[in-house]
Amino acid sequence: EAGVTQFPSHSVIEKGQTVTLRCDPISGHDNLYWYRRVMGKEIKFLLHFVKESKQDESGMPNNRFLAERTGGTYSTLKVQPAELEDSGVYFCASSQIAGDNRREQFFGPGTRLTVL
Amino acid sequence: AQSVAQPEDQVNVAEGNPLTVKCTYSVSGNPYLFWYVQYPNRGLQFLLKYITGDNLVKGSYGFEAEFNKSQTSFHLKKPSALVSDSALYFCAVRDGPPGYSTLTFGKGTMLLVSP
Repeated sequence: EAGVTQFPSHSVIEKGQTVTLRCDPISGHDNLYWYRRVMGKEIKFLLHFVKESKQDESGMPNNRFLAERTGGTYSTLKVQPAELEDSGVYFCASSQIAGDNRREQFFGPGTRLTVL
Repeated sequence: AQSVAQPEDQVNVAEGNPLTVKCTYSVSGNPYLFWYVQYPNRGLQFLLKYITGDNLVKGSYGFEAEFNKSQTSFHLKKPSALVSDSALYFCAVRDGPPGYSTLTFGKGTMLLVSP
């Protein structure tokens, strides 16, 4: 079974540019999560999809961030325009069965975003 | 609001010695607790979890963790460390009741096992 995949693995952009990160969850997983880790800090929750719907987007920093999950499959996270403080590692995770908090989340390898 | 504290940025242990990585938590309801490990250039890998039942839970690679409700702790342990255990370890908690709740992580503890 394929795990969670993320693309690209690294992205270096200049302040003001746009970047789109992609996540492909494990097939059949209802839940898809985005997290971010800024250097040396905690892994912070950004948002949670249940299938194609946004269940919780309370962690999204501001309206420069836009997440979508087309057809309840893969998800994209777009940052437009990027700022210096957006640099960090963006993780995607997925888990089975909406509403079941007992299940562990499976994480992708992350996308390292550097904004210059 | 829920929170997790990992008081040590780094833990150093010699190979063959027991190891402990500390974690304390705060939630409003019953906690669901998780440990993840991150090897260099890899994503987080699930190690073990406490949901209910026996306070001592066993996980992957010989790791175990003990849930202590009175001390609100969930320390990760291993009887005999391996050099290959060197990695970044994250403790995480979410509220237990049914429904949706976010997973809150600690800042991570780097474990270095020396030969």
